[in-house]
Amino acid sequence: AQTVTQSQPEMSVQEAETVTLSCTYDTSESDYYLFWYKQPPSRQMILVIRQEAYKQQNATENRFSVNFQKAAKSFSLKISDSQLGDAAMYFCAVGGGSGNTGKLIFGQGTTLQVKP
Amino acid sequence: DAGVTQSPTHLIKTRGQQVTLRCSPKSGHDTVSWYQQALGQGPQFIFQYYEEEERQRGNFPDRFSGHQFPNYSSELNVNALLLGDSALYLCASSLVAGAGGGGELFFGEGSRLTVL
Repeated sequence: AQTVTQSQPEMSVQEAETVTLSCTYDTSESDYYLFWYKQPPSRQMILVIRQEAYKQQNATENRFSVNFQKAAKSFSLKISDSQLGDAAMYFCAVGGGSGNTGKLIFGQGTTLQVKP
Repeated sequence: DAGVTQSPTHLIKTRGQQVTLRCSPKSGHDTVSWYQQALGQGPQFIFQYYEEEERQRGNFPDRFSGHQFPNYSSELNVNALLLGDSALYLCASSLVAGAGGGGELFFGEGSRLTVL
């Protein structure tokens, strides 16, 4: 079974500052993918960043980067130069490998507040 | 390019009734997955449809059923509604399930179901 734990229900950051959201996971899959999704009040889930477990290099997408520690099963999200539009609920998720594009296991989410 | 569209956006039902939710996937996508998101929680995987068949299923009772049509659109049906079925139901689409995992899921804005 796969599980995802986000231990920070709420986080707050000042605009233009940096914030890190934590996530730990457990999976028996040898080939898996990790994701961070953002869900603003409009409800639509938007992919922020994706990491293939077989890649050692941490994924980066503009102001968003991850710290992937495979042995520790940790997958944190760093948001640099935070903007007001970054305020949302953030979900960490793990998905299986080949042939399993639809089933993701999500964490409980972290609500991020960005202060002007 | 239309994204994932869901209908209705909101609906209210009473206990024991049945509900049908609809989803049209993003253009070019052939796999549809359904998720249930309780208030303040992460989405939970219900099932996935590909080639008009249920390919994977989460831990949901048989009251939850679905269908995929030849044009890849999908329906989620819930029978004998319970108060605990009140949630946001999200549809997500992706490319073919066997394409090698890690594919991005594109989510719709969801259908908010309230059971009284």
